[in-house]
Amino acid sequence: QLQLQESGPGLVKPSETLSLTCSVSGGSISSSSYYWGWIRQPPGKGLEWIGSIYYSGSTYYKPSLKSRVTISVDTSKNQFSLKLSSVTATDTAVYYCARHAAALPFDPWGQGTLVTVSS
Amino acid sequence: DIQMTQSPSTLSASVGDRVTITCRASQSINYWLAWYQQKPGKAPKLLIYKASSLESGVPSRFSGSGSGTEFTLTISSLQPDDFATYYCQQYNSYWTFGQGTKVEIK
Repeated sequence: QLQLQESGPGLVKPSETLSLTCSVSGGSISSSSYYWGWIRQPPGKGLEWIGSIYYSGSTYYKPSLKSRVTISVDTSKNQFSLKLSSVTATDTAVYYCARHAAALPFDPWGQGTLVTVSS
Repeated sequence: DIQMTQSPSTLSASVGDRVTITCRASQSINYWLAWYQQKPGKAPKLLIYKASSLESGVPSRFSGSGSGTEFTLTISSLQPDDFATYYCQQYNSYWTFGQGTKVEIK
């Protein structure tokens, strides 16, 4: 059974870079035809797709976040990562990682990790 | 960007009620729509994919319909475990979520 687990600092200072890792177990991150994505949810608000990386390494980012987002994959560790630069308080959210495909929605999801941007 | 609009934002209902949530896309997404259920402090759970396909293990009281730009999620007989927030999500062009519908106890 595929499982995903987010990890990273829970507190980031304004203007710094948020860095999170999603560890995948029960399957290979190199499996063909799958995307690996990041979604966030500010406290009390809805879900926002941030970006995804295809198994081939192609990346797709939400246009409004594109200038600040980098998603990469480490196949040797079966992990993928999110970097969000120049963060502000509005980037405070629970960050989720999830697998998806061209014809399939996000499933499964990680449990989520809260990242607070504050000095 | 494709925008997804859900209605209502909040729905008050009683156990046993039939509940319908609507999701509208700003342009045609064919049938590339999913529905999720989210409870406080938990990750979203996939209920429906491809507009009307029930995810394995999801009770049959949940059903989805629609195509193009208008979609619905129906719960045929609301159960205590169903009080939660529901999100639609399109995956026709990139990926976008609706703003959510909270189903609360009447």
